[in-house]
Amino acid sequence: DAGVIQSPRHEVTEMGQEVTLRCKPISGHNSLFWYRQTMMRGLELLIYFNNNVPIDDSGMPEDRFSAKMPNASFSTLKIQPSEPRDSAVYFCASSFIAGVNTQYFGPGTRLTVL
Amino acid sequence: GENVEQHPSTLSVQEGDSAVIKCTYSDSASNYFPWYKQELGKRPQLIIDIRSNVGEKKDQRIAVTLNKTAKHFSLHITETQPEDSAVYFCAAPDNTDKLIFGTGTRLQVFP
Repeated sequence: DAGVIQSPRHEVTEMGQEVTLRCKPISGHNSLFWYRQTMMRGLELLIYFNNNVPIDDSGMPEDRFSAKMPNASFSTLKIQPSEPRDSAVYFCASSFIAGVNTQYFGPGTRLTVL
Repeated sequence: GENVEQHPSTLSVQEGDSAVIKCTYSDSASNYFPWYKQELGKRPQLIIDIRSNVGEKKDQRIAVTLNKTAKHFSLHITETQPEDSAVYFCAAPDNTDKLIFGTGTRLQVFP
């Protein structure tokens, strides 16, 4: 298995632009998580899907952030419009039966908003 | 909801010494406690986990202990090596099964 796949690995954009991050979870996993990591705030959970349905989006910072999971093998995290304070590493993770099994993290997307 | 506290935030040890990182949790219903290691510029990766039906689990130089009565669990690394230098995170699930992560411990092992 290729593990969790994320794209792009690096993204540099200007303030105000739309950014879309993509994630392909491990085949057979039914839970998907989006995290944001910065030095100041550490590892923050943004949103959690179970069987393609959003279960907890309380970590989504504001309306500029949105996430979708149209099927079991693909998810997107969109930021529109982007701001410099959104600069961070965004990780996607997946697991089989959340809460009792290992979460496998993707390599992350390093986002820089100028 | 679940609250996970992790100590210390930084830990420096000499190569060959042991390192211990401690976490406490608040939800007594939690029954799965993983530990992740994140090397600089890399993704967090699971190194060991423990379930509530056991009190200790070992894997070579690393071990995790769990005290359900006191609601705390600890990571023990023996015979530390420079490649153990990383940030370590503990975690516990909340009632929606998402993992609540501790704030991390930066371990530095000096040769």
